[in-house]
Amino acid sequence: QKEVEQDPGPLSVPEGAIVSLNCTYSNSAFQYFMWYRQYSRKGPELLMYTYSSGNKEDGRFTAQVDKSSKYISLFIRDSQPSDSATYLCAMKGFQGAQKLVFGQGTRLTINP
Amino acid sequence: ETGVTQSPTHLIKTRGQQVTLRCSSQSGHNTVSWYQQALGQGPQFIFQYYREEENGRGNFPPRFSGLQFPNYSSELNVNALELDDSALYLCASSSRTESTYEQYFGPGTRLTVT
Repeated sequence: QKEVEQDPGPLSVPEGAIVSLNCTYSNSAFQYFMWYRQYSRKGPELLMYTYSSGNKEDGRFTAQVDKSSKYISLFIRDSQPSDSATYLCAMKGFQGAQKLVFGQGTRLTINP
Repeated sequence: ETGVTQSPTHLIKTRGQQVTLRCSSQSGHNTVSWYQQALGQGPQFIFQYYREEENGRGNFPPRFSGLQFPNYSSELNVNALELDDSALYLCASSSRTESTYEQYFGPGTRLTVT
């Protein structure tokens, strides 16, 4: 079993839709939770960062962490064609090296 | 503020050869991590360097090695290349003086092994 599971999609939605992206994990030591956006042939770009459980909002993006269920989500409101990319969840523990454990990535397409 | 840069952008090598990839960290960052991203997969942690020493390693064989220099730039070396080494190699920099440990990625080097 992988430490982090993410539905690879692909996911295709119309412009303006609300998008929900999710990851589950098995390692209870994970404390930091991140979402990265990766455009084709580019490096991942940090979108959202959350420590422990709770919600965090940044413009059209909301990240949720439920440590009791080992489940994290990213919501995109009023989705735009420019949001079309692969979204990667990533996690790390508190101790040790700053090793990020990534999900497989979800490929998202927003159709105009 | 200068972002993370990597060179070269693309590279084609033959099985059995050796390759060196380079990374310049973001200004003010003292830690560099390397990741391998196979096509359609998430990045996998190779190792991390802090103060010129390896500070954590993923499940990669010893033929993957690295260096960090006093200016915090870094190299990834891969010996005896195998076909499965074909991937996007990402470098990420961060600052251990920041409590958030956020990592910022470069554009990657795409390595093809034939």
